Amino acid sequence: GAGVSQSPRYKVAKRGQDVALRCDPISGHVSLFWYQQALGQGPEFLTYFQNEAQLDKSGLPSDRFFAERPEGSVSTLKIQRTQQEDSAVYLCASSLSGVATNEKLFFGSGTQLSVL
Amino acid sequence: AQSVSQHNHHVILSEAASLELGCNYSYGGTVNLFWYVQYPGQHLQLLLKYFSGDPLVKGIKGFEAEFIKSKFSFNLRKPSVQWSDTAEYFCALRSGGYNKLIFGAGTRLAVHP
Repeated sequence: GAGVSQSPRYKVAKRGQDVALRCDPISGHVSLFWYQQALGQGPEFLTYFQNEAQLDKSGLPSDRFFAERPEGSVSTLKIQRTQQEDSAVYLCASSLSGVATNEKLFFGSGTQLSVL
Repeated sequence: AQSVSQHNHHVILSEAASLELGCNYSYGGTVNLFWYVQYPGQHLQLLLKYFSGDPLVKGIKGFEAEFIKSKFSFNLRKPSVQWSDTAEYFCALRSGGYNKLIFGAGTRLAVHP
């Protein structure tokens, strides 16, 4: 596709349910990021993949959050036993290179998660 | 710890007014700074970026930003806003050896015709 694709666009979960959010980065992009954007806030870093390797997961708020990118392309962010404070927009971004360069990140439109 | 602060959370302007959005950062090393924009219903897009060299950087749609190292600032400016500039604007700092970004809380700009 032409851009970063995320699905579903909206997800409503009951507290305690598990959810899985999908990200399809731009084909060939090495780097993939997950961000969490709470209402009225800027995106906050969750985790980073370089190909299939998860190099940084320092932003994951708890062990209920788990991300994977097994084949170095599609990534899934899983949240177990969802809580109301998990309600946010989850953004995925990708970039061509695996190192800090003069290139930009391409963001998806996000998945809006509402936990009731 | 690295952080980005945006002072104005909401800005309301009339068309043709000048715009300046404040951004201050906290980081002790070499900085790469960005402004991203999110138009209603759309994804985040890069507006402009500073890596090195000329501290006055120009971006798309007539926006520019000035990096002032002594003030730890990277304010966004536009001499004459349009209704279509209504959006949320995020300042960001790159941290680490890859393209991890630290974002400010954002500024919502509403331009009235």
